[in-house]
Amino acid sequence: LAKTTQPISMDSYEGQEVNITCSHNNIATNDYITWYQQFPSQGPRFIIQGYKTKVTNEVASLFIPADRKSSTLSLPRVSLSDTAVYYCLVDPVNTGGFKTIFGAGTRLFVKA
Amino acid sequence: NAGVTQTPKFQVLKTGQSMTLQCAQDMNHEYMSWYRQDPGMGLRLIHYSVGAGITDQGEVPNGYNVSRSTTEDFPLRLLSAAPSQTSVYFCASSYKGAYNSPLHFGNGTRLTVT
Repeated sequence: LAKTTQPISMDSYEGQEVNITCSHNNIATNDYITWYQQFPSQGPRFIIQGYKTKVTNEVASLFIPADRKSSTLSLPRVSLSDTAVYYCLVDPVNTGGFKTIFGAGTRLFVKA
Repeated sequence: NAGVTQTPKFQVLKTGQSMTLQCAQDMNHEYMSWYRQDPGMGLRLIHYSVGAGITDQGEVPNGYNVSRSTTEDFPLRLLSAAPSQTSVYFCASSYKGAYNSPLHFGNGTRLTVT
């Protein structure tokens, strides 16, 4: 399974756009990129997933360059409630995520 | 739907005691897994199952047993608890589809071993 590298922590202010970049230099052809969000005392929650280019949903956008060796999670106009840990993962397609390996994640702290 | 339900939410054990952490899902997911999360760290995979009757080890399986007799349930057993097993335990499930199905997590069991 591909190893990922992401910043340990980031600070932001309410209303700003936050971009968290994840490196996955050894990503394989059949790997998908998935981001999860975890609040204190809760299990991680799926945010967004993509394979290439750009994916957008009601929560975030995911930008993946052509070489797929990195990805950027973009959170528009963050609020205090976006303070959480964000995990970037890569998994082979069709595995259902059952063997997903989590890193330490990026701890985002949003200030008023 | 309840999603993934874990019980109990909190548990305190003495060293050497045994217990079972319960996990149930009502989404008919084939895949289920157990993770532990220590303070300030990510999740580490303990055991996983790709379907009823099939289990396998993850990164940190020592000290834990699992079984999968039904699609819905995936209990995690600690046979002889040790202080090193103090952690928050998360159960997750996912669907085996034509694409990479994301994990659905329960809200965890906080275990303290004294």
